[in-house]
Amino acid sequence: ELKVEQNPLFLSMQEGKNYTIYCNYSTTSDRLYWYRQDPGKSLESLFVLLSNGAVKQEGRLMASLDTKARLSTLHITAAVHDLSATYFCAVDMGNFGNEKLTFGTGTRLTIIP
Amino acid sequence: DSGVTQTPKHLITATGQRVTLRCSPRSGDLSVYWYQQSLDQGLQFLIQYYNGEERAKGNILERFSAQQFPDLHSELNLSSLELGDSALYFCASSPHPGQAWNEQFFGPGTRLTVL
Repeated sequence: ELKVEQNPLFLSMQEGKNYTIYCNYSTTSDRLYWYRQDPGKSLESLFVLLSNGAVKQEGRLMASLDTKARLSTLHITAAVHDLSATYFCAVDMGNFGNEKLTFGTGTRLTIIP
Repeated sequence: DSGVTQTPKHLITATGQRVTLRCSPRSGDLSVYWYQQSLDQGLQFLIQYYNGEERAKGNILERFSAQQFPDLHSELNLSSLELGDSALYFCASSPHPGQAWNEQFFGPGTRLTVL
């Protein structure tokens, strides 16, 4: 059974600082997704990572994927308050009929002024 | 706005009752997924439909059932409700199941409260 672990679960950081969220998964997969969720809201897609070594950046967020290590990271650069949210990574097995997403526990990020 | 719509937004009901949650996928998306988000279980996959047929099943209780209609909208039926069924239920849709690029787009969710 595919397991996805994220750490840390909670992250409180000051504005302007850098930090990294880690996502480990237990079974070989080439497809990893990062989502953002604001309290009580839906899941907003941030990144889709499809191959080993994939790196994507959007604003102050950068995501990478190492399929050999079964590890993805979400790096936050010079954090701003607007980035406060819960971040989820998710993995699917990639074959037709097995695209269900298995989510990590989420990382609740709070940016302190 | 992802283009996926869900109704109702909120639902409050009593134990033992039955409710139906509705989802309309993005235009052109053939695949619909249902997920449950609760404090103790996190985000869990329930079931997937593709073009009207059940495609994959997750940790869905026997009291729950779903279907996808010819117009591709989907309904999730929850019966004999228990307090523990209180959760946020999301529907997602995707355009290319099985393809290398198959992003799932999530609806706004239905918050179910069972009293």
